[in-house]
Amino acid sequence: DAGVIQSPRHEVTEMGQEVTLRCKPISGHNSLFWYRQTMMRGLELLIYFNNNVPIDDSGMPEDRFSAKMPNASFSTLKIQPSEPRDSAVYFCASSPQAGPGSGNTIYFGEGSWLTVV
Amino acid sequence: AQSVTQPDIHITVSEGASLELRCNYSYGATPYLFWYVQSPGQGLQLLLKYFSGDTLVQGIKGFEAEFKRSQSSFNLRKPSVHWSDAAEYFCAVVGGGGNKLTFGTGTQLKVEL
Repeated sequence: DAGVIQSPRHEVTEMGQEVTLRCKPISGHNSLFWYRQTMMRGLELLIYFNNNVPIDDSGMPEDRFSAKMPNASFSTLKIQPSEPRDSAVYFCASSPQAGPGSGNTIYFGEGSWLTVV
Repeated sequence: AQSVTQPDIHITVSEGASLELRCNYSYGATPYLFWYVQSPGQGLQLLLKYFSGDTLVQGIKGFEAEFKRSQSSFNLRKPSVHWSDAAEYFCAVVGGGGNKLTFGTGTQLKVEL
């Protein structure tokens, strides 16, 4: 079975440019999560969706970040405009039904490695 | 608020030696606990999880972890480490019914041949 698929795997962009990260969750999973990993802050939950609806976006760092889930098989995380401090690995993850708090495992993609210069 | 502490940033062990990675959590009620492993340039892979029942949990790759409520701990163990176990290990916690999985800062494991 295909796991969580993220694209691009690596991106280098200039400060001020728009960045769009994409995610295809595992088929049949109802919950989708976006995490960011940095050396300074570790793994942080940015936002999660349940049944395509954003449930908690309190981790989104600022208005430059936005996330959408137009259907059950696709989500995007957009940064506009990008800044050097946004350089990080962005992970998308998905989980069956209601997520880890209901006894389900979160499955992670391989990450999108973003460098903003 | 829930939190996880992994007190060891780096650990080095010899191949064949036993391993214990420490994890302490803070959560008011019974937590759901996870251990994930991350190899360089890769995503996170679940090793094992604890929700209820037997406090000794078996996972993949020969790992196990024991939930100790009295110590608020969920330490990861392996009786004999292989060179391929070198990676970063993350402990994580979520409250029942919640979905915000909170990760520790990770422990980087180095295996000496």
